[in-house]
Amino acid sequence: KAGVTQTPRYLIKTRGQQVTLSCSPISGHRSVSWYQQTPGQGLQFLFEYFSETQRNKGNFPGRFSGRQFSNSRSEMNVSTLELGDSALYLCASSAGGQGLSYEQYFGPGTRLTVT
Amino acid sequence: DAKTTQPPSMDCAEGRAANLPCNHSTISGNEYVYWYRQIHSQGPQYIIHGLKNNETNEMASLIITEDRKSSTLILPHATLRDTAVYYCIVRGYGGATNKLIFGTGTLLAVQP
Repeated sequence: KAGVTQTPRYLIKTRGQQVTLSCSPISGHRSVSWYQQTPGQGLQFLFEYFSETQRNKGNFPGRFSGRQFSNSRSEMNVSTLELGDSALYLCASSAGGQGLSYEQYFGPGTRLTVT
Repeated sequence: DAKTTQPPSMDCAEGRAANLPCNHSTISGNEYVYWYRQIHSQGPQYIIHGLKNNETNEMASLIITEDRKSSTLILPHATLRDTAVYYCIVRGYGGATNKLIFGTGTLLAVQP
């Protein structure tokens, strides 16, 4: 099986712009989660989608949003970029569902630099 | 906030066993202990998880104390490629989310 893929791998944007990042989960996985990793704050949970519905959200401003499509692919969007949004954005997929504890598989991440 | 405490760094000689401790004194009865690792600039990689019994897979062994307040991840024969940040995470069983709360982890440096 192919792993989790994220595009693009690297991105440079200017303050005030917006950006869209894409994640394709492992085939058959229905849950996609997004994380932000910075040197100062470490790995922080952004949000999680399951079957096109957001079912959990981290403590991030409304500039951060996401969605999931019927094929389980997911996108996250950051509007009005700030310098502090420079980070590695990681996507993780899992089989999802309730009642069972599923391990998550992470993609390689998108390195976003805001100048 | 993360529910686990780990030493910030550890060294291990190549070929020797690496024993990474984790304290999770507030763990509740339905929470599992998960271990992930992150090699520099890559996405985290799942290693192993357990509830109360010791677990072993092809990557590592997980030893959980009887009171479940601490655990140890064991890499039996560490190699240079095992140099990474290791995260110990406590997560509830079931529920409606796969959310993981990462702490600061342990940077394991395997020395030649």
